[in-house]
Amino acid sequence: AQSVAQPEDQVNVAEGNPLTVKCTYSVSGNPYLFWYVQYPNRGLQFLLKYITGDNLVKGSYGFEAEFNKSQTSFHLKKPSALVSDSALYFCAVTEGVGASGGSYIPTFGRGTSLIVHP
Amino acid sequence: EPEVTQTPSHQVTQMGQEVILRCVPISNHLYFYWYRQILGQKVEFLVSFYNNEISEKSEIFDDQFSVERPDGSNFTLKIRSTKLEDSAMYFCASSVGLAGSNEQFFGPGTRLTVL
Repeated sequence: AQSVAQPEDQVNVAEGNPLTVKCTYSVSGNPYLFWYVQYPNRGLQFLLKYITGDNLVKGSYGFEAEFNKSQTSFHLKKPSALVSDSALYFCAVTEGVGASGGSYIPTFGRGTSLIVHP
Repeated sequence: EPEVTQTPSHQVTQMGQEVILRCVPISNHLYFYWYRQILGQKVEFLVSFYNNEISEKSEIFDDQFSVERPDGSNFTLKIRSTKLEDSAMYFCASSVGLAGSNEQFFGPGTRLTVL
């Protein structure tokens, strides 16, 4: 079974500082990993994904994430936070190639509220 | 940029009543999904739909739920007899390919309130 954990309910960071939102996962095969962002009263919006290849993935709005297979992590990062980055961030995982009995339906984490202070 | 749309944005209903939530997925997408999010909690998968049939469903998606693609553009979720615990935000999503490796595009959601 696939699972994902976002250990922090909330992350606070000052504008201009780097930010990290943590995500760890568990799958039986190779993972496909996603980050989505949800602004108030809006649906989830795709930010970036890791399928294969380079461990550092770049996405929308200056965000990037690093796939670390040994630590089973896929942390979201941004070098310089903006107040407009304040939102709810969701990590998601599906089973990739090599999985047995896995689902192609993503499992979402509980979400991390990112608050960027001016 | 194409987007997923949902109507209504907010639905209030009495317990035991039927509700239909409507979605228009992105036109060239082939896979459709419903999720729900109870306030402050995680996003939960309900059902996926491909080629005019359900391809996967969760244990939440019991006999009270049904989905339909009545024409070439709409995708609906029906709850036959609503319960208090059905109060949640319901999101429709679509993807061009299987969600396993393809990102999903989500609509803005319908907030369902069951009284």
